[in-house]
Amino acid sequence: GAVVSQHPSRVICKSGTSVKIECRSLDFQATTMFWYRQFPKKSLMLMATSNEGSKATYEQGVEKDKFLINHASLTLSTLTVTSAHPEDSSFYICSAAAGGGLFYGYTFGSGTRLTVV
Amino acid sequence: GENVEQHPSTLSVQEGDSAVIKCTYSDSASNYFPWYKQELGKRPQLIIDIRSNVGEKKDQRIAVTLNKTAKHFSLHITETQPEDSAVYFCAASKGSGGYQKVTFGTGTKLQVIP
Repeated sequence: GAVVSQHPSRVICKSGTSVKIECRSLDFQATTMFWYRQFPKKSLMLMATSNEGSKATYEQGVEKDKFLINHASLTLSTLTVTSAHPEDSSFYICSAAAGGGLFYGYTFGSGTRLTVV
Repeated sequence: GENVEQHPSTLSVQEGDSAVIKCTYSDSASNYFPWYKQELGKRPQLIIDIRSNVGEKKDQRIAVTLNKTAKHFSLHITETQPEDSAVYFCAASKGSGGYQKVTFGTGTKLQVIP
């Protein structure tokens, strides 16, 4: 089945630094990937939709300059949290859709636990 | 935009009993409704899904029903087992092909008591 690899799984960084999270589709091409943020005991909140070869589409309230998304190829999307602050600490997770013309559902990455100290 | 409401937020059942989780959506254009199970600290896993042209789908102990007129869909788990304990999310999605924007419900924490 479709596999999405996400890393790192955990990262601790200092305030003011930047952190890059990678999301790779291992056995399929994903023209679109989605980035979510999940707070403890909360649902998944869509941050942005990453489209290969074009600019990402951000949800309302998500800062584009803070959460940089690059979808450089059909198998890789990256999320960079710039100038991280403690309030950015959260669980970030990506997902991708496989199936080309017929939608077969989403596959999630394993998530990244970001802690900003 | 789409709004998905999910109830209840927590649900406790005795092992062997059934569990039902309900969701409503607002956008009549939504055409795909997946359900995810998320265990603590792990990624959400798709457990069952239903498309808008189907009213019911079953996979062993899990079933999903969809009422397009009322814009609600439900997850039914029969003969619950302790390993069913997790957080369950419903979602509504619209679009076609590889691009579908999905909106998640708020989640239901299911606890199956042995």
